[in-house]
Amino acid sequence: AQSVTQLDSQVPVFEEAPVELRCNYSSSVSVYLFWYVQYPNQGLQLLLKYLSGSTLVESINGFEAEFNKSQTSFHLRKPSVHISDTAEYFCAVSEEGGSEKLVFGKGTKLTVNP
Amino acid sequence: DGGITQSPKYLFRKEGQNVTLSCEQNLNHDAMYWYRQDPGQGLRLIYYSQIVNDFQKGDIAEGYSVSREKKESFPLTVTSAQKNPTAFYLCASSTLVADTQYFGPGTRLTVL
Repeated sequence: AQSVTQLDSQVPVFEEAPVELRCNYSSSVSVYLFWYVQYPNQGLQLLLKYLSGSTLVESINGFEAEFNKSQTSFHLRKPSVHISDTAEYFCAVSEEGGSEKLVFGKGTKLTVNP
Repeated sequence: DGGITQSPKYLFRKEGQNVTLSCEQNLNHDAMYWYRQDPGQGLRLIYYSQIVNDFQKGDIAEGYSVSREKKESFPLTVTSAQKNPTAFYLCASSTLVADTQYFGPGTRLTVL
């Protein structure tokens, strides 16, 4: 069975600074990987996902994540954050082509300060 | 306009009352899910359904019940047996169980 560990529960940064939100997973088979974002009092929105192909995936708002199979990681990065990026971010994993549902990490709360 | 709707957005109930949360999707997805979210605890799966008229318990099913009579609808009932029902409830759906889940806007339930 898969599992996901988000190493930091809270990450405070200043506006325009770079940020990395860490995600490690455990699985014995090939995986799909996802990052979701949740703004206060809203549902989760898909930010980006890795299914196959290029190990670097990008979102439309400047985030990117790199699938590293040897380190079983899928860290989320942004070179320069904005106040509006303040939100909670969830990493999730599922088996490629499998019959098991997504497994979510516990989330990382990103706070961007002026 | 395709998506998932949850109603109501805010719900207040007295202790001991059953309450039903609505979840509807027009994405033609087979799988649907209910999660509970409490501060600092991430998402916890209550129930999920892969097909009409079938559903499975998640990690915290006690005190909850669901039905899946139509592909589009997956209502959740919070019963009086649920010891601490005050929480934010999220519904989601996906084409396949292992595929991308799409979430509704959530219902915040407060039991007084």
